[in-house]
Amino acid sequence: EDKVVQSPLSLVVHEGDTVTLNCSYEVTNFRSLLWYKQEKKAPTFLFMLTSSGIEKKSGRLSSILDKKELFSILNITATQTGDSAIYLCAVETNAGGTSYGKLTFGQGTILTVHP
Amino acid sequence: NAGVTQTPKFQVLKTGQSMTLQCAQDMNHEYMSWYRQDPGMGLRLIHYSVGAGITDQGEVPNGYNVSRSTTEDFPLRLLSAAPSQTSVYFCASSYGDSTEAFFGQGTRLTVV
Repeated sequence: EDKVVQSPLSLVVHEGDTVTLNCSYEVTNFRSLLWYKQEKKAPTFLFMLTSSGIEKKSGRLSSILDKKELFSILNITATQTGDSAIYLCAVETNAGGTSYGKLTFGQGTILTVHP
Repeated sequence: NAGVTQTPKFQVLKTGQSMTLQCAQDMNHEYMSWYRQDPGMGLRLIHYSVGAGITDQGEVPNGYNVSRSTTEDFPLRLLSAAPSQTSVYFCASSYGDSTEAFFGQGTRLTVV
């Protein structure tokens, strides 16, 4: 059974702090790892990672994948109150006979940034 | 650009009632999926479809049916609602494998 585990489950920081969110996985037929941000409603896409060691960056957010140790981290520097959200990690795998990329999600990390 | 549209946004059902959650996308995406989100459990895949006429079960399919008669629509049917189906339901679509999934705004369902 495919498994994705995120840590910590919740985190409270102050504006300006740097945070690191972790995602480890045990899956068969790995294709990619995705990070999503979920505020009040729908998850919104942040990054897709397919290769080890290549950092993806968008503003104050960055992420990297280690396919040997089976984990990824999401870093947020100089946090702002608008970063408060649930951060979801998902791993895409082959779903057998079709080419469908099935997503298995972790539990999510609830990040709260105080002013 | 509507993206993925889910209706209704909120619904309260009595145990044993049936209903259909609607999902439509206007991006001509091949892949569509239904997830449920429960506290502390992330999103879990209920059913998915890789194209019109093709559907398959995900991780938690029991109590739900789907069909995909068109590329745009992927309704989720609850046959006989149970309190354990109280959850937030998300529909997602993507162009193909290894592409990002776009999510609808969710349907909050309460079964009493």
